[in-house]
Amino acid sequence: GENVEQHPSTLSVQEGDSAVIKCTYSDSASNYFPWYKQELGKRPQLIIDIRSNVGEKKDQRIAVTLNKTAKHFSLHITETQPEDSAVYFCAAFNFGNEKLTFGTGTRLTIIP
Amino acid sequence: NAGVTQTPKFRVLKTGQSMTLLCAQDMNHEYMYWYRQDPGMGLRLIHYSVGEGTTAKGEVPDGYNVSRLKKQNFLLGLESAAPSQTSVYFCASSLPGAMNTGELFFGEGSRLTVL
Repeated sequence: GENVEQHPSTLSVQEGDSAVIKCTYSDSASNYFPWYKQELGKRPQLIIDIRSNVGEKKDQRIAVTLNKTAKHFSLHITETQPEDSAVYFCAAFNFGNEKLTFGTGTRLTIIP
Repeated sequence: NAGVTQTPKFRVLKTGQSMTLLCAQDMNHEYMYWYRQDPGMGLRLIHYSVGEGTTAKGEVPDGYNVSRLKKQNFLLGLESAAPSQTSVYFCASSLPGAMNTGELFFGEGSRLTVL
């Protein structure tokens, strides 16, 4: 089955700096890669996603890149703000078998 | 439109007791899932259902049972609770892959403590 590894497990950055979270996956058949943000005590919510036919996608201050050959994808947050503090989960989805596998999460803390 | 609703939100059990978590969604989604979330381990799939009357095992199914008698409801049962089942449980739903983005819609979570 699919295995998704996520690094780092914790990340602290100064407000205004950039944050990068990296994930690798094992199943080359995975073709959709969403990122979820979970604020303290809340439910996970989708913030950005990318499909396997795209190398990069941006949405304001967040961007995701995908390297299919190396089987890794990354989340980039620029100009970080206090409200970016949360746990971020990457995931890999295979539309063929309808399986979504999550990474273990990264706790991002923005230091004012 | 409430989305995905879980009940109860909190529960404390003694070892050996049984209980059922209820998940209800009003988005007419075919697929429903139960995940557990533990520190440092992310979200792990317990069981899932691709339609009314069907269920399948996920990554960590032992000690849990599920039922999907109605399309909008997905029940998670603990037959004989153990301390290792102390966790936060999330229900989620989605449309089938061919029709959607793959996005899961989560409930607010149910915090279960087994003493």
